[in-house]
Amino acid sequence: EVKLVEFGGGLEQPGGSLRLSCAASGFTLDTYAMSWFRQAPGRGLEWVSSMSGTGATKEYADSVKGRFTISRDISKTTMFLQMESLRAEDAAVYYCARNGYNHIAFDMWGQGTKVTVSS
Amino acid sequence: EILLTQSPGALSLSPGERATLSCRASQRVTSGSLAWYQQRRGQAPRLLISSIYIRAAGIPDKFSGSGSGTDFTLTISRLEPEDFALYYCQYYGGSPYTFGQGTKLE
Repeated sequence: EVKLVEFGGGLEQPGGSLRLSCAASGFTLDTYAMSWFRQAPGRGLEWVSSMSGTGATKEYADSVKGRFTISRDISKTTMFLQMESLRAEDAAVYYCARNGYNHIAFDMWGQGTKVTVSS
Repeated sequence: EILLTQSPGALSLSPGERATLSCRASQRVTSGSLAWYQQRRGQAPRLLISSIYIRAAGIPDKFSGSGSGTDFTLTISRLEPEDFALYYCQYYGGSPYTFGQGTKLE
């Protein structure tokens, strides 16, 4: 079965760190570009970061640049989002998603993992 | 950055009716990279439409997309109970990948 599963969310204090994981099954991460999105409680969707299939290109939203890092493991089955210097406004459900081929948008999404930032 | 504005914010209809959702971009979407997603309560977004009008795999033909330039439309014919959800348009032609604020179909 082709799917994405996120984990690693939880409660962290402002200024703290968390690492989110996105496990892919049914395909490897070097065959697709991949992205992270987030959705704050009661709010809309926001793009956070993307990584190309080769891993050579990484992009970040201005709101997280310099604090978040996207990466993947050597087996190319798990993608990560390392989040540093967390702020209250980073609290959200974080989704990983697969960028489709040939002008197809984000065609597969995980179920999301919730991040809470509070003291 | 391309900003997207969806209208209306909420749309009240009944099963069997037709829904028309709008999405306006702050500048021309020359690449045609405009998508629509459905998000049911407590679930992840689900891709409905890519490239303005191309239905994603498994999406029934009651969902259709149209438009060009800066104005785009998602039409849902013959509404069924499971169609009452949030709908987002998205620009994905290059980062930042932006979303409209959503239309709640209720």
